Amino acid sequence: NAGVTQTPKFQVLKTGQSMTLQCAQDMNHEYMSWYRQDPGMGLRLIHYSVGAGITDQGEVPNGYNVSRSTTEDFPLRLLSAAPSQTSVYFCASSGLPRGKSYEQYFGPGTRLTVT
Amino acid sequence: AQTVTQSQPEMSVQEAETVTLSCTYDTSESDYYLFWYKQPPSRQMILVIRQEAYKQQNATENRFSVNFQKAAKSFSLKISDSQLGDAAMYFCAYRIADRDDKIIFGKGTRLHILP
Repeated sequence: NAGVTQTPKFQVLKTGQSMTLQCAQDMNHEYMSWYRQDPGMGLRLIHYSVGAGITDQGEVPNGYNVSRSTTEDFPLRLLSAAPSQTSVYFCASSGLPRGKSYEQYFGPGTRLTVT
Repeated sequence: AQTVTQSQPEMSVQEAETVTLSCTYDTSESDYYLFWYKQPPSRQMILVIRQEAYKQQNATENRFSVNFQKAAKSFSLKISDSQLGDAAMYFCAYRIADRDDKIIFGKGTRLHILP
């Protein structure tokens, strides 16, 4: 199993550009989520999904879109990049709480810089 | 709303000594899971230990153990015989057990190991 994969690992964008951060998991996990990590702020939840076709907002959703058309993939779209979106982004997945695999597995992260 | 609080932004411990990291949470739920994650300089998030709220026995994984006080809503992590490789950010996390909902993280504690 590859686990949770994220691409790209690093990205530099100019203000106003759009891009998609890719996330995929091969563990058949229903739950997937996106976090951003900034110094002193911990992990802040952007969006999450409890299954294909179902998404919901987290703590800091503004400026980001997600969709979940398959169980495996959960892309994060930046609509119009801003310097405030400079951060490290993590994707994570887990089984649902009633299952056996309810802890989250994390991808390696994407370091995004917006200039 | 559920919250997770880690009141110690940074801690230091001498190598081979024992250190305890604090975590408190606020919830009105009776069934939930709690986790400690480690994030070393490599940035990869690693599950250290997990606890089911219905279990009275504290979880243990080698040198890592927790002190789970359900009534006090406290979930501290004890690291025994601290090693240089334990230097990392440590995150406490909470998840409701009986419905599909988001997983909530604390802001983290940075642990330094002094040789």
